[in-house]
Amino acid sequence: EDQVTQSPEALRLQEGESSSLNCSYTVSGLRGLFWYRQDPGKGPEFLFTLYSAGEEKEKERLKATLTKKESFLHITAPKPEDSATYLCAVQSVPGSRLTFGEGTQLTVNP
Amino acid sequence: DAGITQSPRYKITETGRQVTLMCHQTWSHSYMFWYRQDLGHGLRLIYYSAAADITDKGEVPDGYVVSRSKTENFPLTLESATRSQTSVYFCASSEDREQPQHFGDGTRLSIL
Repeated sequence: EDQVTQSPEALRLQEGESSSLNCSYTVSGLRGLFWYRQDPGKGPEFLFTLYSAGEEKEKERLKATLTKKESFLHITAPKPEDSATYLCAVQSVPGSRLTFGEGTQLTVNP
Repeated sequence: DAGITQSPRYKITETGRQVTLMCHQTWSHSYMFWYRQDLGHGLRLIYYSAAADITDKGEVPDGYVVSRSKTENFPLTLESATRSQTSVYFCASSEDREQPQHFGDGTRLSIL
């Protein structure tokens, strides 16, 4: 059974204070690891897909990295508008379903 | 605008009643999914569909029924609602099973 654990559950940062969110996973065979952002009252919004260890992807202030056991979402010089819940999910071969972690609630104070 | 829409956004009903949540996507994506999101559990898959007339159970299917007669629609029915089904329900779609899933904005369902 696939498992995903995200830490910390909640994180408060000051504007400009860089940090990282962790996603640890257990799968029989990884097809892909997905990062989503979720704002209150909204559905998850797709950010990145990572497929193999060593892969990195960037978007604005966010950079996602992947190892064989975990993924990190690095947030560089965050702004208040980066405040959201960040969700990690894994998809294992040969299926199509995603297994989600419970998310990290990020708050960036001005 | 193209996208995925869910209706209603909010619903209050009573135990024992039947309720149907609607999901419509304009991308012509093959795959569609239903999730529920609860505190302490995160997003859990209820049912999914790989194409019209093809559906399969997810992690928590009991008490739910789905159908997919048209590619663009994937309704979720609670045949006899229970309080434990109070949740936020999200529909998602993807082009194929390897592509990212894109989510609607959810239906907040309360069962009294």
